[in-house]
Amino acid sequence: GAVVSQHPSRVICKSGTSVKIECRSLDFQATTMFWYRQFPKQSLMLMATSNEGSKATYEQGVEKDKFLINHASLTLSTLTVTSAHPEDSSFYICSARAVEDTLHFGDGTRLSIL
Amino acid sequence: QKEVEQNSGPLSVPEGAIASLNCTYSDRGSQSFFWYRQYSGKSPELIMSIYSNGDKEDGRFTAQLNKASQYVSLLIRDSQPSDSATYLCAVNRPGTASKLTFGTGTRLQVTL
Repeated sequence: GAVVSQHPSRVICKSGTSVKIECRSLDFQATTMFWYRQFPKQSLMLMATSNEGSKATYEQGVEKDKFLINHASLTLSTLTVTSAHPEDSSFYICSARAVEDTLHFGDGTRLSIL
Repeated sequence: QKEVEQNSGPLSVPEGAIASLNCTYSDRGSQSFFWYRQYSGKSPELIMSIYSNGDKEDGRFTAQLNKASQYVSLLIRDSQPSDSATYLCAVNRPGTASKLTFGTGTRLQVTL
């Protein structure tokens, strides 16, 4: 069964809306989670590293004020896309690092901004 | 030069044949290499990991790594229609264990 739960699986909303995506590790504690974005026919691009109890580290070119990350507990990281616009429409995927650096991916969130 | 390069495909093989997927990477500092399978609209799932030069076999899958040539491949024996998916090659970012750089993937089609 899934070891990382990502919710919601799909969001359709109007431009200007803020959208929160949750990533939960179900049966292990994850001090580190990663957020990726994948545009159609392109690869996964790492957006940021979410660290429990500290600030996230963002990849070059990713706006930290646009993509807010909170990792308040060892099993939950959230990504909030603030004031989303059509160009933010994408497939957002989280992964959580378990023991021995094994990564478990969530099922992804398809975000569509109208 | 892209950090991780793959032929986008599609690679079409008949059922029962061997599918060969290739990947090259640019950073010699990478030490960990992964193959993920991604079905359309789904998240990637790990197929194989390899860390040392040579071959690593797991069931119908064999990963091959050649660090000198900066080349990693995945062989799928006895290909099945259910193997039809996009296969992503990923390498670790040097100095990190879990930050991965992904290739754009090769789409595999296994035909009946």
